[in-house]
Order: sequence, then structure tokens, then C-alpha cells
Amino acid sequence: QVQLVESGGALVKPGGSLRLSCAVSGFTFSDHYMSWIRQAPGKGLEWVSYIGNRGSPIYYADSVKGRFTISRDNAQNSVYLQMNSLRAEDTAVYYCARLMSSSVDYWGQGTVVTVSS
Amino acid sequence: DVVMTQSPLSLPVTLGQPASISCRSSQSLVHSNGNTFLSWFQQRPGQSPRRLIYEVSNRDSGVPDRFSGSGSGTDFTLKISRVEAEDVGIYYCMQGTHWPSLTFGGGTKVEIK
Repeated sequence: QVQLVESGGALVKPGGSLRLSCAVSGFTFSDHYMSWIRQAPGKGLEWVSYIGNRGSPIYYADSVKGRFTISRDNAQNSVYLQMNSLRAEDTAVYYCARLMSSSVDYWGQGTVVTVSS
Repeated sequence: DVVMTQSPLSLPVTLGQPASISCRSSQSLVHSNGNTFLSWFQQRPGQSPRRLIYEVSNRDSGVPDRFSGSGSGTDFTLKISRVEAEDVGIYYCMQGTHWPSLTFGGGTKVEIK
């Protein structure tokens, strides 16, 4: 069955960096766009970034552009989110999700990122 | 960016009664290929979101048939024919027509009266 497992969430100080990983199984990873979506405490869902099945195209929300970098390794069935210059407003649960036919059909369980001094 | 507006924000419902959630987009969601990429998601307390409906009215595998989606253009609706206790949670619509900026609605909280 399809599985998406995020890791890498942590407590980090403002200005710090973090790298999230998402390991997937149960489908042909290289056939699918992948994305990161976040949810701040008590708030709704926000697109962060997505990446095409072979590494392009790539999209970033304006709120993270220039600070976050998405990448993928099709040989390792993994997608990553490098987060630099973290701010308090980046505090959220970060979900890895599979894009299929202009929708999200599978979500991971999420990993918690807390930015606080 | 396309703005997705859901209403109501909160929806108290009696068990066994119907519920209806509205989602309006700031632009038509009809894609140039003729499809309309509007999806609905359910997020139960403490869980990840789960997709219920894609392309306006197609139910995902395993989704009870009490859930139905309808609409066209800029106006869409998710209906629950008879609310059950397990339906408590927050429901989100999402548009996938206008790339690169895909957008979610703000969410509607369904709770039992």
C-alpha cells in the first residue's frame, strides 16, 4: 500500500535550518509530482512547495521563496525540504503529499517543526 | 492566485441529519481540457487530511456514499446525507486547475450538536 513517512521535524531557533525528508513506498515514485503542505497550529492548510516527477517544475509559496528548497531522489524514493532562515511563522506540521491529476491523493502523517528561541 | 472561500466556518449538525458545505472560487475552475479540478478533504481531529472527492463529484475508494460533491464553474458543494459521529472534523476544498499556485479553502468545522 502507499506510504509516505516524514522525518526531520524538530525545535529550532529563529534563523536556523532544518531538512525534512519523506520516504515513500507502494507506488512508482518517479511517476509522480510530490509536494509539501503545512498546517500552522489551529490553522488551515497551506501549500509550501511541489516538484515534478523528474525534478521539475518546482513551485514555492511566496512565504517560503528564497528560504526553502525542495528536491527529490528517485533512486531513494525520497523527497526533501531544506528550510533555511526559519521564522516563528514557519512553525507548523509539515505534510508530505502525492500529487495526482491536479489533486492530492495521499498524505503522510506529518512532522512537527517548531521555531522558537 | 485563485481564492477559495468556504462557508460556513462552523457547522453544528444533529446526528442523522444532512449537512452542506459551500466552496466558492474567485475564478472559474474549468480547465482548458474541460475538466474541473476541485477536491474535498476531511481532517479528523489529530489526523492527517484524507481526500474524499476529486474532480467535483468523484468519490475516492472507501469513502461512504453519504458523501457527495457537486457544482460547476465557481460554486461547489459537499453534502453529507446523514451525519455520523465519525464525520466530525474540518473539511477543506482545494483547486488544482490554476497552476502553479494551487490553493485550499479556509476550512469548515463540522461538529455534533
